Formats: sequence, C-alpha cells, structure tokens
Amino acid sequence: QSVLTQPPSVSGAPGQRVTISCTGSSSNFGTAYDVHWYQQVPGTAPKLLIYGNNNRPSGIPERFSGSKSGTSASLAITGLQAEDEADYYCQSYDSSLSGWVFGGGTKLTVL
Amino acid sequence: EVQLVESGGGLVQPGGSLRLSCAASGFTFRSHAMHWVRQAPGKGLEYVSTISSNGGSTYYANSVKGRFTISRDNSKNTLYLQMGSLKTEDMAVYYCARDTGSDFWSGSNWFDPWGQGTLVTVSS
Repeated sequence: QSVLTQPPSVSGAPGQRVTISCTGSSSNFGTAYDVHWYQQVPGTAPKLLIYGNNNRPSGIPERFSGSKSGTSASLAITGLQAEDEADYYCQSYDSSLSGWVFGGGTKLTVL
Repeated sequence: EVQLVESGGGLVQPGGSLRLSCAASGFTFRSHAMHWVRQAPGKGLEYVSTISSNGGSTYYANSVKGRFTISRDNSKNTLYLQMGSLKTEDMAVYYCARDTGSDFWSGSNWFDPWGQGTLVTVSS
C-alpha cells in the first residue's frame, strides 16, 4: 500500500488529453512538500518528467504539465502520442515517515 | 554528461550479503545527496535509502532498516549499498539516483538522473 495513491491504469487515443492523479495526505502534500513525476518506459530506468509540482526539465515537451492543490496532485498529457505509453510515478517526501515516498504507479496505454 | 552506473548485482541466497556500487561522473559528486530506489519484478518503485552529500546523515525505508547500510566515498565518486540478511522480497532492480534541487534539507528535492539499475536476485 503506497503512501501516495495513483490509479493503476489510464488510457487514451492518440491526440487526446489524459490526466493521472496522485493523492497524498497532510504529512506529505499537505505539509507543502513538492510533488515530482517520473516516466518509465518498460525495461528502462525512470526519467524525470516534472519537478517542483509544475516544472519541466529541458527536453520534456510542453504536452506534459503538472499541478498540485491541497493533498492532491495531477499530471496532464495533451496531444497523446504512441511514445507516451509508459508507467508514470509521482514522488514526494513524507514527514511522518521521515523519508521519500512514491506512488504505486500508473500504466498509460495509448489506444 | 552526467552519468550514474550501478554494479554489483547478482544471485545471492536468502540470508546472504551483497554490496552494490554506483559510479558517478559528469558532476560534482561531493555536492549532492544520493538515493537508492528499487523495483521488484513487475512492481512499482520503492524508496530504499538516502545519504547526505558529506555522508553524515543517512535514511532508510523501514523495510531495510537494520539490514542495509548506505555509504559513499567522495574521493572515488562512488555510492554504495551494503545489503545483509537478504530476503526473497529484496529481489529487485536497484537504481541509484542523484538528489537534485536547491535544498536537500527541505525534503522537496527530486531524483535526477537515475542509473540504469542492477538486478539483485535472492534465491536458494
């Protein structure tokens, strides 16, 4: 059972918009710790996608965006492409655990 | 180019020990905290351990506390994870990752980049 809760899977057709939610609690998001998002293509290492709630590293397309409000965060992907098919993880810090935590991951399928 | 390369994975019997290494290059290693994260076959990412930039502070997930030890050698730009009393549930790909951001102690930094991972198999 992950501290951060994500839906196991989402799907969308090419060109569509999808969102992936990440629900936390008062000891992580509610304590104002930032959320970060990673993309993992099967068989490869995770890659940073969004940092500090809504910032994109260089090289990440504008199609990817993040937001956080209260104890929830979300990742939005617009103009869905076949190459976006991957697993997505949210991550933050939890003060009650005194450690870093990940969401359980969401598998994105491009139909 | 910033690069992290893990090594040391392999097959070990339950109750055994193994030491993983993570060689860093392309950045000032001694200026960054470092993390270990693992991924069991077919499962999600699980936080394992963290060490501060000078090695003075260490953190562990409850699942490995007392069995794993994280350390670093800043003169060799290398991060280590000494794993002991290994269990079958420790079987996973182990990734090292650099702590990145403005303030490690704020808890709001992120993991970037990640190494390619090294597989640890625990089986008799």
